[in-house]
Amino acid sequence: AQSVTQLDSQVPVFEEAPVELRCNYSSSVSVYLFWYVQYPNQGLQLLLKYLSGSTLVESINGFEAEFNKSQTSFHLRKPSVHISDTAEYFCAVSPEGDSSYKLIFGSGTRLLVRP
Amino acid sequence: DTGVSQNPRHKITKRGQNVTFRCDPISEHNRLYWYRQTLGQGPEFLTYFQNEAQLEKSRLLSDRFSAERPKGSFSTLEIQRTEQGDSAMYLCASSLYRDRADEQYFGPGTRLTVT
Repeated sequence: AQSVTQLDSQVPVFEEAPVELRCNYSSSVSVYLFWYVQYPNQGLQLLLKYLSGSTLVESINGFEAEFNKSQTSFHLRKPSVHISDTAEYFCAVSPEGDSSYKLIFGSGTRLLVRP
Repeated sequence: DTGVSQNPRHKITKRGQNVTFRCDPISEHNRLYWYRQTLGQGPEFLTYFQNEAQLEKSRLLSDRFSAERPKGSFSTLEIQRTEQGDSAMYLCASSLYRDRADEQYFGPGTRLTVT
């Protein structure tokens, strides 16, 4: 079985400051890793994913995440946040193989960007 | 671009009543998923379909819950004899299965309140 821990329920940060949202997972098998974002009154949207290859993955809007297998982590970072980045961010994993459809989510981190 | 749609967006019902939710996936997607999200938690997998076949049901899906996807198009999720513990956001997602970890596109959800 898999589980995902997002220790920070809310992260307040000032505009243009850097931010890191933490994600740790537990699994007895290899996993794929994802970050989803949920803006107010909208559905979850995939931000970025790690399937294989380079452990550093990037999104089109400046976020990046690095897969660290030894620390079982997949932290999300952005060097300079905007007001529009205010949203809820969910880390998720799915087991490699036939059950890769089954996303297991963390409890989410609310990013609050202040002017 | 027509995304995943869900109806109704909100449903208030009395304990013991039956409710039915509808999900319309992205038209060419062959997989459809249902998740449940309670306050302060991430989404939890309930069940999924590949075309019209329901391939897996979570233990969270009690006998009072039933999901269908006739003709492999839209899907319905019915809850019979609702209980207060059923109050949650019910999310639908769809994907086009190719090989691995296909991207799931989420709808805005149906918020159920059982009084």
